[in-house]
Amino acid sequence: DAGVIQSPRHEVTEMGQEVTLRCKPISGHNSLFWYRQTMMRGLELLIYFNNNVPIDDSGMPEDRFSAKMPNASFSTLKIQPSEPRDSAVYFCASSLFEGGVEQYFGPGTRLTVT
Amino acid sequence: AQSVAQPEDQVNVAEGNPLTVKCTYSVSGNPYLFWYVQYPNRGLQFLLKYITGDNLVKGSYGFEAEFNKSQTSFHLKKPSALVSDSALYFCAVRDMGGNNRLAFGKGNQVVVIP
Repeated sequence: DAGVIQSPRHEVTEMGQEVTLRCKPISGHNSLFWYRQTMMRGLELLIYFNNNVPIDDSGMPEDRFSAKMPNASFSTLKIQPSEPRDSAVYFCASSLFEGGVEQYFGPGTRLTVT
Repeated sequence: AQSVAQPEDQVNVAEGNPLTVKCTYSVSGNPYLFWYVQYPNRGLQFLLKYITGDNLVKGSYGFEAEFNKSQTSFHLKKPSALVSDSALYFCAVRDMGGNNRLAFGKGNQVVVIP
């Protein structure tokens, strides 16, 4: 199993540019989670999907952030326009919805906005 | 709402000594409890979980954790720490009857001194 795949691994962009982060969950998993990690705020849940449907997006910081899951094997997190305070590591995780099943994390995308 | 407290910022321990990382939780119902480890520049990696049954749970790399319902705790332990155990450790909880989002603690940095 390849695990959760995220791309790109590193992204450096200028303020005001659009950024798109991509995630491929583990095959067969029906829940997908987007997290952001910073030194100041720790690990924050941004949004999560069950069966491709967004369930809770209360962690999305602003309207500049949007996430989609067009099918069971792909999700995107978009920031438009990006700002320096968006600099962070963004993780995608997937799991089965049922029961006490652990989440599996991808390697993360390190975003730097200058 | 479900939540986790990891009271210590950093845990320092000499190599070969027992390691304990503390975690207390709050949920409205019965909990599912998890421990994750994060090595530098990597995603979170699942260590172990408590779902039901024996209060002592054994996981990867010689780690174990004890569920204590009366104290609402789920402390992570290792009898003999290795330098390679130096990492960031996260405790997480979800409500057994609720949705499948996890509430993560702020994380504890463990430093094992040679």
